[in-house]
Amino acid sequence: RKEVEQDPGPFNVPEGATVAFNCTYSNSASQSFFWYRQDCRKEPKLLMSVYSSGNEDGRFTAQLNRASQYISLLIRDSKLSDSATYLCVVNQAGTALIFGKGTTLSVSS
Amino acid sequence: IAGITQAPTSQILAAGRRMTLRCTQDMRHNAMYWYRQDLGLGLRLIHYSNTAGTTGKGEVPDGYSVSRANTDDFPLTLASAVPSQTSVYFCASSMEGSTDTQYFGPGTRLTVL
Repeated sequence: RKEVEQDPGPFNVPEGATVAFNCTYSNSASQSFFWYRQDCRKEPKLLMSVYSSGNEDGRFTAQLNRASQYISLLIRDSKLSDSATYLCVVNQAGTALIFGKGTTLSVSS
Repeated sequence: IAGITQAPTSQILAAGRRMTLRCTQDMRHNAMYWYRQDLGLGLRLIHYSNTAGTTGKGEVPDGYSVSRANTDDFPLTLASAVPSQTSVYFCASSMEGSTDTQYFGPGTRLTVL
């Protein structure tokens, strides 16, 4: 089992749609969780951290289920500007972050 | 400078040549990282440094070396480039170690012929 797994997509949705991305991780000792966004030919940028209680930032909601080792990202009211690749990121204690391969989202008008 | 910078932006290199990719941050972050990103493989860690004067190996360190003489700079050297090192290289930094948010530089696109 890979350490961080994501559905690669692509997810093609119309503007205004709600879309959810899922991610699973294999290391039960993982401590920190993030969603990063990467635009084409650009560097990854932090979208949001993921907390055990779940957290929301505007149209974006992140959830963590430690028992199932599962992380999700929900995007409501999708915008054209949300088109990007979304990377699920998990820490591996003592070394560095482990990145999923990303889920590609394309929002169309 | 604001944040983290990398140089060069892109480079075409003959196989067997030596190349150093530069990375500088002005955020006084303790930890720095080098990743390569390849289509279908995602971001993979090459080397990291938790603080000035220390370095460690990541997932794919072979063929690469790093140094961390001071807080701000973390150069990555390819001693003798090979075509399989063609990739996009990202440098990143974080205030502390692996549990902290990482900030990425704009990347270096390297082609080894």
